[in-house]
Amino acid sequence: AQSVAQPEDQVNVAEGNPLTVKCTYSVSGNPYLFWYVQYPNRGLQFLLKYITGDNLVKGSYGFEAEFNKSQTSFHLKKPSALVSDSALYFCAVRDRRNNNDMRFGAGTRLTVKP
Amino acid sequence: GAGVSQSPSNKVTEKGKDVELRCDPISGHTALYWYRQSLGQGLEFLIYFQGNSAPDKSGLPSDRFSAERTGGSVSTLTIQRTQQEDSAVYLCASSSTTGAGSPLHFGNGTRLTVT
Repeated sequence: AQSVAQPEDQVNVAEGNPLTVKCTYSVSGNPYLFWYVQYPNRGLQFLLKYITGDNLVKGSYGFEAEFNKSQTSFHLKKPSALVSDSALYFCAVRDRRNNNDMRFGAGTRLTVKP
Repeated sequence: GAGVSQSPSNKVTEKGKDVELRCDPISGHTALYWYRQSLGQGLEFLIYFQGNSAPDKSGLPSDRFSAERTGGSVSTLTIQRTQQEDSAVYLCASSSTTGAGSPLHFGNGTRLTVT
């Protein structure tokens, strides 16, 4: 079965600095990869996904992520962080052969300080 | 348009009582998922419905948990004889197609507290 690891429980950055939230995955076939964001007392919101094609994927709110097959990674990035980006971020993976099963990482809490 | 709606938003119940959590997916979405999010944890898959197919119940933690989806739309997650370890946020999500590239759309969740 597929799995996702988010090695950092928490990431702290200063406003205006670049941010990276790390994600690595394990799947037997080719993956579909997703990033979601969760604001307090809310459900998860879809940010971006990698299906095929360009390894650099652009999503909502200026976020982007780079698919690296050799490193089995899908790190989330933003060139200039905003205080309003502070939230809980989840990486998720689906095996293309099993539509049912989307596995989520444990989440990384991003705090952007003014 | 309307998103995924879950009710109630908060539920406090006594240990041993039964609870029902409701999910109203986005209209036309054929796939519906239930997840559980415990404090400080990721999302734990519970159950998946796709159209008229038999649901994938592989994530249900015990036989106290059950779910149904009536008419391919609204879903109810039932927890019988609740235990304190059932306390968590229960999230419902729906998606529009069976394609594995379709993102999930989540409701705001039901926070269940078992006292």
